[in-house]
Parts: sequence; C-alpha cells; structure tokens
Amino acid sequence: DAMVIQNPRYQVTQFGKPVTLSCSQTLNHNVMYWYQQKSSQAPKLLFHYYDKDFNNEADTPDNFQSRRPNTSFCFLDIRSPGLGDAAMYLCATSRDPRTSGIKQFFGPGTRLTVL
Amino acid sequence: SQQGEEDPQALSIQEGENATMNCSYKTSINNLQWYRQNSGRGLVHLILIRSNEREKHSGRLRVTLDTSKKSSSLLITASRAADTASYFCATDYTGANSKLTFGKGITLSVRP
Repeated sequence: DAMVIQNPRYQVTQFGKPVTLSCSQTLNHNVMYWYQQKSSQAPKLLFHYYDKDFNNEADTPDNFQSRRPNTSFCFLDIRSPGLGDAAMYLCATSRDPRTSGIKQFFGPGTRLTVL
Repeated sequence: SQQGEEDPQALSIQEGENATMNCSYKTSINNLQWYRQNSGRGLVHLILIRSNEREKHSGRLRVTLDTSKKSSSLLITASRAADTASYFCATDYTGANSKLTFGKGITLSVRP
C-alpha cells in the first residue's frame, strides 16, 4: 500500500547532540511537510517542500533544518536539540494543491526524547 | 492568526450516542478538513468540504460548513469505542502556499 513511513518511531538523544529524523513516501506526492506536535497541542508546521522548493515558517528556529534529496525522501535535522524540542515529529505529504486541494497524508510520527 | 478553534475541548459520551464537534476560523477559506489522531499516532484525513459546499457525508460522519459564521461541525453518529481519539479541523485559504492551519483539537472519549 502506498504510504508515508517515518523512521525511527522513537528516538532518544542527548542535549546538544545532533539528530536526524527521516520520512519516505511511496505516494509520489509533490509536497512534503514536517510538523512538531507537543502534548495536547495542534501540529505546528516547521517547513515544507514543494518539489525542490523549500518553504520555511517564519518562527521555525534555526536549529531545525531539512533536506529533500529526491521526491521520496525528506529529512529533519535538529542540530543541537534542547529539552524544549522533545515532541512528536510528524511528516506529511500532499499532491499538488493547485489541482487537488491540500489533503495531507501523515506518517505515524517519531517521538523524540531529549535527555 | 488563521488558526481554527474547536469546541468543546473534550467530550465524553456513551457508545451509541452521537458526537458533535465544532470548529471556528477567522478568515476566508478554500477548504476545511477534519482529521483524526489516535493516541501517539499520525493524523488521518476524514473528510474535506469545499467553501462552496454546505454539507458532506462519509459513512457515519456528517460535516457542515457555514461560511457566513466561519464555522464547521463534525457529527459522528452511533459512536463506537474505536472513535476515541483527538479530532482536528484544518483550513487552507487563498495565499496559504500549500499549507494547512490546524485547530487545537478536541479529545473525544467514547465509553463502552
């Protein structure tokens, strides 16, 4: 089945130690998103790629970076995780929103713990 | 902020009852969607309603949209324990640049 896959599902890192979360999709969607979600809160968009075009949210800290080497894969790099970065990180995809609306397909998420 | 606001924030009902959840938003939209999130999991798309539509059905789900009041409601009929989850409304609007804006979510508990 076509899907959005996130690895790992659980990630533990130390304060200040760089970490990379990965997302892959078999849907061949143009757009890939990264969200941060803290307990009992709405998902907060960090950035998204429209094909190769990177779109950063104004309030996303510089500590968060992303790479999209090809259509299928997208990575979230946290350069120096702080305790406040502990959260669920959600990857999502959508087709070209100009033709199909912005229905998003989510992966299962990666739960990040910072010690 | 365009962020939607759902109410109530938490809802507890008995299995078999209907659950109604409301969402309000602030600016003109293209579409409004509802998503479900089971604990510790990703979000799952439930239903999308376009700004020129007033009502939409999908199985046990019924969504209404009132653009004059900038509000939407999600009705789940004959609820089941498996409907226990958080529900989010999300909007996209002209100039959103491929983005959705999510509301804060409603926690629904369905008691067996």
